[in-house]
Amino acid sequence: GAGVSQSPSNKVTEKGKDVELRCDPISGHTALYWYRQRLGQGLEFLIYFQGNSAPDKSGLPSDRFSAERTGESVSTLTIQRTQQEDSAVYLCASSLALAGIPDTQYFGPGTRLTVL
Amino acid sequence: GQNIDQPTEMTATEGAIVQINCTYQTSGFNGLFWYQQHAGEAPTFLSYNVLDGLEEKGRFSSFLSRSKGYSYLLLKELQMKDSASYLCAVNNYGQNFVFGPGTRLSVLP
Repeated sequence: GAGVSQSPSNKVTEKGKDVELRCDPISGHTALYWYRQRLGQGLEFLIYFQGNSAPDKSGLPSDRFSAERTGESVSTLTIQRTQQEDSAVYLCASSLALAGIPDTQYFGPGTRLTVL
Repeated sequence: GQNIDQPTEMTATEGAIVQINCTYQTSGFNGLFWYQQHAGEAPTFLSYNVLDGLEEKGRFSSFLSRSKGYSYLLLKELQMKDSASYLCAVNNYGQNFVFGPGTRLSVLP
């Protein structure tokens, strides 16, 4: 595709429910990132996928958060038993991740999650 | 630990020049990136610096001093559309990135 796409664009859920967020990266981009951005704040790293390597999960805030990626394509971020503090915009980014070259990330439009 | 500091908010006048500073302390350094984010939109890439010095791209320039852990983004001939948040991000190691809190710039007529 022309850019990174994410779905849904908006998600309203009730506390305690599970949600699944989807990201379609730019074709050919081997690296994929998930970030969380609370209102008026900077980006908080969640998880990073690179090719077939084990993902870097160091940013996941709790075991309620998990993510998967199928090969070098679609990724899903799952939040189980959502809490009100999970309310934020969840941004996905992808990049070429070529060795030795600074890596420019291309961001999707984000999913705005509201937990009531 | 990892720490990136930026001013929270700045205000400037249309047509003026503004400098947005970023200081960082990270365990590694593979480059520093600047992103622009309009309200309600995704961040978009502006520039990056790997070596010390100034990188110029039209109305935007970015400077880096690795020894001082310091960078700035310079915006010239400000336009109303430049009102946005500007995010400083350090490529810490590998593909690990640390983002600063962002600087919200308001351009006034």
